Amino acid sequence: KAGVTQTPRYLIKTRGQQVTLSCSPISGHRSVSWYQQTPGQGLQFLFEYFSETQRNKGNFPGRFSGRQFSNSRSEMNVSTLELGDSALYLCASSSDTGAPGNTIYFGEGSWLTVV
Amino acid sequence: LAKTTQPISMDSYEGQEVNITCSHNNIATNDYITWYQQFPSQGPRFIIQGYKTKVTNEVASLFIPADRKSSTLSLPRVSLSDTAVYYCLVVNQNTGGFKTIFGAGTRLFVKA
Repeated sequence: KAGVTQTPRYLIKTRGQQVTLSCSPISGHRSVSWYQQTPGQGLQFLFEYFSETQRNKGNFPGRFSGRQFSNSRSEMNVSTLELGDSALYLCASSSDTGAPGNTIYFGEGSWLTVV
Repeated sequence: LAKTTQPISMDSYEGQEVNITCSHNNIATNDYITWYQQFPSQGPRFIIQGYKTKVTNEVASLFIPADRKSSTLSLPRVSLSDTAVYYCLVVNQNTGGFKTIFGAGTRLFVKA
């Protein structure tokens, strides 16, 4: 079956603009999480959604937000972009059946460059 | 949340076995250990997952001692294409979702 799909793969934005990234999880997966990866900070957890509700949140400012739709697809939004927001944004999904050991599967990411 | 510690980098030669150890001293009872491989500009790819003792699949083995405070990823007979960053991740999904914390990962460089 298809993996986690993220769009767009690459985009360039100007400081002060906003951006929306999209993620389609693996079919049947209800948990979607987002991560930011930069050379300096590594992989950092942004937030996790399940059944259209944010369940967990990392330590990022309020400019970073997300949502999940009834079909489990998710979007994340970054407003008032700063140069430091340039990063690879990764989405991951999990079945989250409640059983321990659910595996998290990642998409290929969306490369955001802020100029 | 369990924090993980791995060596920053490792070098190896083609055909050798590579063992990467991850320390997770405050792992919780319901935490599972998962390893990922990441190539530049790509998302992390699942390699293997385990809870205790030994797990083996077609690409790797995972050894977890009884106290579960560490784990070792074993890659048999590496090739140049195994050059990547390897992440050890401890995840608990029994408490209403998860909040994953990645360590810095181990950069494995395989030489010819």
